This record gives sequence, C-alpha cells and structure tokens, in this order.
Amino acid sequence: IAGITQAPTSQILAAGRRMTLRCTQDMRHNAMYWYRQDLGLGLRLIHYSNTAGTTGKGEVPDGYSVSRANTDDFPLTLASAVPSQTSVYFCASSPGTSGNEQFFGPGTRLTVL
Amino acid sequence: GQNIDQPTEMTATEGAIVQINCTYQTSGFNGLFWYQQHAGEAPTFLSYNVLDGLEEKGRFSSFLSRSKGYSYLLLKELQMKDSASYLCAVRDSNYQLIWGAGTKLIIKP
Repeated sequence: IAGITQAPTSQILAAGRRMTLRCTQDMRHNAMYWYRQDLGLGLRLIHYSNTAGTTGKGEVPDGYSVSRANTDDFPLTLASAVPSQTSVYFCASSPGTSGNEQFFGPGTRLTVL
Repeated sequence: GQNIDQPTEMTATEGAIVQINCTYQTSGFNGLFWYQQHAGEAPTFLSYNVLDGLEEKGRFSSFLSRSKGYSYLLLKELQMKDSASYLCAVRDSNYQLIWGAGTKLIIKP
C-alpha cells in the first residue's frame, strides 16, 4: 500500500441498509478525516480524528459514525442509509492538525436508492 | 457563518495566464490552501499561504491578503492538462478546513 486507500470504489445501496466505508493509510499520519462532496457544494467534513483513539464531529455528522482503533484505519459507518447520503466520500489524512496539507484517498461513490 | 466564495467556472486559452480568485469569511484563520481536482479523481495539494504575499511554485503562484480575506491562484503557460477544478480552503480557528465549491477551469486550444 502506498498512501491512502478506500473501499469500495463504488456502491449502490438500498435505503435502510447499514454500510461501512473503509479507509487505510500507511503514512503513519496522526490525523484523519472523512468528507462528502456533492455537486455545487464544497467538501464538507463529516468526522475527524486528530490521533488514534479520539474522534470528533465535523460539519455534517448526523447519520454517520466513525472509530479510530489504530493509526492506520478510519472506517465510516452509515447505520441506516438514506437517499440524501448519496454522494462521493473522500477520506484524507495529514501528519498533524496544523500547517500540514491533507492527502486524499481516491474516493467512494455511494448511491442510496 | 463561514463562507468561501470562488467563481463557478472559468475558460482560458492554452498558453495563456489565468487568475482564480477566492474570498473568505471564517471564524479565525490558520492558513489557506489551494487544491487541484481532476474530474472523477481526488483533490491534490497545490499551495499553502499563511502570511500575506505571493508564493511561487513553478507555473503556479498563490497570493494572500489576510486583511482583505482574499487569495488568488495564478496559473501561467496553461496546458490542456490544467483543465480541472481548483478548490480553495481555509483552516479555521478549530484547525478544520472550510472548503469553497471549487472553480471549474476549462482550457481551450
């Protein structure tokens, strides 16, 4: 692995189903982030983690949960998917929280029907 | 509220120069980032400004005026591969990035 990987690449999901989007980085970055990107809107932060074992809520956290059991992995779970969660989801990481650029994974395109 | 404004779309000619503007109103300021995003791909980092002035990196330069809440990205000697969306983001007082909706740049031969 080099950088950040996300899985799946794309997914079509029935409303009401549970779904976990996976994110793994091998850069030993402390901070990780989940964003959603919708047409005409900027990237919006869902949840973040400044270091393993800690998580925080971003701008649009409702309907999503995260965990950070170790440095490398930061899964995003939709407990009961709704059509408004149709979006492209990007995971990102950075060495720290100040002054550092964020590195992005390739994204997961999720469609909820 | 927090707000980042950028033009939705711009068109320029191959070989020319284009300036993409970004204005912001945020709760605190801890730096401004520019990212490039090709269609269907992830954003990639271009530049970072935290002090006023111009930062130059090859064909790309970024300018910041904190007193005016204003930045621009200058792209010189445009190439067809520069066709992409350019995202402006500001790190706020909570050290979170607030993102603009992006400027889609179309390069014509």
